[in-house]
Amino acid sequence: DTGVSQDPRHKITKRGQNVTFRCDPISEHNRLYWYRQTLGQGPEFLTYFQNEAQLEKSRLLSDRFSAERPKGSFSTLEIQRTEQGDSAMYLCASSPGTGVEKLFFGSGTQLSVL
Amino acid sequence: DQQVKQNSPSLSVQEGRISILNCDYTNSMFDYFLWYKKYPAEGPTFLISISSIKDKNEDGRFTVFLNKSAKHLSLHIVPSQPGDSAVYFCAASGGERDDKIIFGKGTRLHILP
Repeated sequence: DTGVSQDPRHKITKRGQNVTFRCDPISEHNRLYWYRQTLGQGPEFLTYFQNEAQLEKSRLLSDRFSAERPKGSFSTLEIQRTEQGDSAMYLCASSPGTGVEKLFFGSGTQLSVL
Repeated sequence: DQQVKQNSPSLSVQEGRISILNCDYTNSMFDYFLWYKKYPAEGPTFLISISSIKDKNEDGRFTVFLNKSAKHLSLHIVPSQPGDSAVYFCAASGGERDDKIIFGKGTRLHILP
């Protein structure tokens, strides 16, 4: 068990550029979650997957955000046409997916949009 | 609309004393509650949880109390240790009906020597 891995740890980009983050969950974990955290706030739910199926996407998430989990293993989160307001820590978490249970978080990807 | 509220942004407690962190929720459909701890530059780590069928759950120095009628829960840490200095997040879930987990804004706990 190597834990949840996120890549990159840091990303600096210019406004208008596209960025993609990767998350590798704990192996055999069926559930995968994406959260966003800004300074002074708690993790804000973005979306989650059960295997390769996307179960829910937050209403707060604009169409510029898209997430995939094509083979039910790793996941990618893409932000198109980045804006300064997208600057945040993007956290990925996974769980075995047998019901409501604790999440195992990665260390996050810190995005800075200049 | 903040469904999980932690109204104290920070708390300072003397080492060895009890730390009490509070959390309120507004959604009566929540039936599973969790506490997470976060150090700088790391993701949150699970601390303790409680189901709505219980009013107390204990794990070592950590105890969570749930008051469903008041929609309030609290985390007690006894005795507080320097390594407990971190940000604590309260979180809640609707269980089988809606199992995504919603977090509060967090409380920063400082343990004073």
